[in-house]
Amino acid sequence: QAQLVESGGGVVKPGGSLRLSCEASGFNFKDYYMAWIRQAPGKGLEWISYITSGGTIEYYADSLKGRLTISRDNAKNSLYLQINSLRAEDTAIYYCATDWGAFEIWGQGTMVTVSS
Amino acid sequence: EIVLTQSPGTLSLSPGERATLSCRASQSVSNNYLAWYQQRPGLAPRLLIYSASNRATGIPDRFTGSGSGTDFTLTINRLEPEDFAVYYCQQYDYSRTFGQGTKVEIK
Repeated sequence: QAQLVESGGGVVKPGGSLRLSCEASGFNFKDYYMAWIRQAPGKGLEWISYITSGGTIEYYADSLKGRLTISRDNAKNSLYLQINSLRAEDTAIYYCATDWGAFEIWGQGTMVTVSS
Repeated sequence: EIVLTQSPGTLSLSPGERATLSCRASQSVSNNYLAWYQQRPGLAPRLLIYSASNRATGIPDRFTGSGSGTDFTLTINRLEPEDFAVYYCQQYDYSRTFGQGTKVEIK
């Protein structure tokens, strides 16, 4: 069945960087737009980025533009998110999801904690 | 940016009752590009409804989405124990944004 598995989360110091990965299986990854959505502890969902199926166009939430880079490798069925200049408020679970406007398939999430 | 405001913040109901959740947009959502999600504690969200009124694969028919323009509603008929969760609306007309969520709790 269709599955997404995120990895790469952990504890990072303020100002640091992190690269998250999302590996897809069970569906034609290369045919799907993909997105990253995050959820701070006890808070709601926040869409942060998506990328077109061919990887040629990227979109970012205004609040995070300039600190994020989304990318994908369709040969490896993988999606990535580079986050720079991490701040305490970036502490959250980061989910990847298929994106055709609505987010249909979700991963289980990877936790990022920004703390000194 | 389209801002989505969900109400109420919390809904306290008993199993078997009907839940009515509201999602209001700051501007009209074209083509009814609005989705609803359910999130149970410790789990990833699950797509329930897309295009305002279409149930996603495998979603029971007690979940009904309705509305257009700026006002949308998710109705859950005959609440089951597993329906007590947090529900989010999301628009995909202009970029993507989520509402702040409505928690449906057991009374």
